[in-house]
Amino acid sequence: ETGVTQTPRHLVMGMTNKKSLKCEQHLGHNAMYWYKQSAKKPLELMFVYNFKEQTENNSVPSRFSPECPNSSHLFLHLHTLQPEDSALYLCASSLSLAGFTDTQYFGPGTRLTVL
Amino acid sequence: SQQGEEDPQALSIQEGENATMNCSYKTSINNLQWYRQNSGRGLVHLILIRSNEREKHSGRLRVTLDTSKKSSSLLITASRAADTASYFCATDMQGAQKLVFGQGTRLTINP
Repeated sequence: ETGVTQTPRHLVMGMTNKKSLKCEQHLGHNAMYWYKQSAKKPLELMFVYNFKEQTENNSVPSRFSPECPNSSHLFLHLHTLQPEDSALYLCASSLSLAGFTDTQYFGPGTRLTVL
Repeated sequence: SQQGEEDPQALSIQEGENATMNCSYKTSINNLQWYRQNSGRGLVHLILIRSNEREKHSGRLRVTLDTSKKSSSLLITASRAADTASYFCATDMQGAQKLVFGQGTRLTINP
């Protein structure tokens, strides 16, 4: 148990659906991250939030829309996804973004399948 | 091209043997971190080594860093079946303000 929870753990959606992934951290951290992990590819950083402000958007398509209402919660809103978006989506948090030297704590991930 | 690359991509050894995984990177770093991931789960932080450190230990783990060769190694001694997982190195590049992960080494410990 890392102190970072993600829901749902599994999600199957059609290309026309709208769904949201939720991440919550109970560690008192100020930075939160979304990563995408596809088979046979390195972990891809998608978005970074520091004190609720987005500090990184790693050229992610607009069909992925992040939201960070406070330092403890992070959402990833999904709409009109493509089958190639099927992957494990991981949320992580760290104490702060100061130099990015902090250890990152990961949630268990949401396994997303787009039909 | 990616910053960190692990070698080998897959490693299979007998329980009790030592496992060594390597990571190479391209640009200057602030620190290098190793993470472990069990199948389909999140990553778990193992150890962080700063650019001015050469070796670090944590239990059965030993990490070395050679900044002149831009490489690091992770040694797991006296391996156990429970060590079966994927292991990733992640580099905190100077000026980049983000961790960059390699593709990982898939380690299998055979009982």
